[in-house]
Formats: sequence, C-alpha cells, structure tokens
Amino acid sequence: QKEVEQDPGPLSVPEGAIVSLNCTYSNSAFQYFMWYRQYSRKGPELLMYTYSSGNKEDGRFTAQVDKSSKYISLFIRDSQPSDSATYLCAMSEETGGFKTIFGAGTRLFVKA
Amino acid sequence: DAGVIQSPRHEVTEMGQEVTLRCKPISGHDYLFWYRQTMMRGLELLIYFNNNVPIDDSGMPEDRFSAKMPNASFSTLKIQPSEPRDSAVYFCASTARGLLGETQYFGPGTRLLVL
Repeated sequence: QKEVEQDPGPLSVPEGAIVSLNCTYSNSAFQYFMWYRQYSRKGPELLMYTYSSGNKEDGRFTAQVDKSSKYISLFIRDSQPSDSATYLCAMSEETGGFKTIFGAGTRLFVKA
Repeated sequence: DAGVIQSPRHEVTEMGQEVTLRCKPISGHDYLFWYRQTMMRGLELLIYFNNNVPIDDSGMPEDRFSAKMPNASFSTLKIQPSEPRDSAVYFCASTARGLLGETQYFGPGTRLLVL
C-alpha cells in the first residue's frame, strides 16, 4: 500500500462546476498537507498549504484535512478552463517540504 | 528572480551513455531537491541538500545515480551508465526555511529519454 493514494482520473467537468479532489494516506505522523498544481510540461507549483486538521480557503479554492480519517480534499468552486491541470496532493512529517510524499496526481479537464 | 533554472530541457541519449542534468536554485534558498516523475511512479524525491550538503539520498535508485552541489548556486544529477528505465522528467526544486510551509519552487524539468 502506498503512503499516499490519489485517484489519477482523468476528471472531466463543465465550466462552472464544483470540483472535489481527494487523497487518503496511511502515515498518522503527517502534519503538513499541500496541494500542488502542475500544468502540462511545467513543474508543480504550490496551490494550498494546511497544517494539521481543518479548512483553509483561498479564493475559489478550499482545502480540508481530516486527520482522524486520514483524508484530505481540495474543492474548486466555479471551475474555469484555466484550472485544467494535474493536481498533486503532498504531505510531510516535518516543517514544510522535506521528505515530502506526493500523490500520483489527478488530471482535471474543465470544458468550456 | 528567474526562478529555478534547469538544463537541458530535453535530453535524448543512448543506453550506456553518461547523462548530466544541471540546476540553478533560487538565490537565497538553502535547500535543493531532485525529483523524478514518471506515469507509473509519480513524483519521487531522489535526494536533497541543505547548505550544499547532502542530507538524505535514500531515494536515489542505484549507484548509477549521483548528485553534487559544489556551491549554493549549482547542482548536478548524473546518471552513468544510463538505462531505458531512467527515462522520466527530472525536476529540481529549492526552498528556504522560514518560507510559508517551506514552499518548494520547482524548475521546468528535464525530459530524459534513454533509447
């Protein structure tokens, strides 16, 4: 079993839809949870960062962490074609990105 | 700042040849990471440095892989000899302690194809 499980998709939605992306993990020591967005032929870029459990909102994006269930989510409201990308969840035990474990990434397509 | 710079952007080589990938981190960042990304295995951490010193190389797959960081502004990842299964996109990333979540900034990657 992988430490971090993420459905690779692809996920195709119409413009304006609410998108839900999810990851599960097995290591209860993970404290830092991140979502990276990766456009085609580009490097990943940090989208959202959350410490421990709870919600965090940034514009159209909301990240949720449920440590009791070892489950994290990213919600995208009013999805746009420009949101079409691969979304990778990532998590680590220590501060920030050292020894970060990444999910496989979910490919998202938002159709105009 | 120009961001993390990697070269070459694309590399095609034949099995058995030596491959050297290069990375220039963002100025002022004291952590540098090398990752490999494939469809099958996703994004894997190979090695990371702090202040030019290798901290954890447990992700380096085999002795054929080696990485160096001779100074704060330059790192190399070398594969010798290369094999077809090394074909992947190799990313370099950098960060600094104190940044929000020690956010890692990734370079554009080097697409390596070993024939």
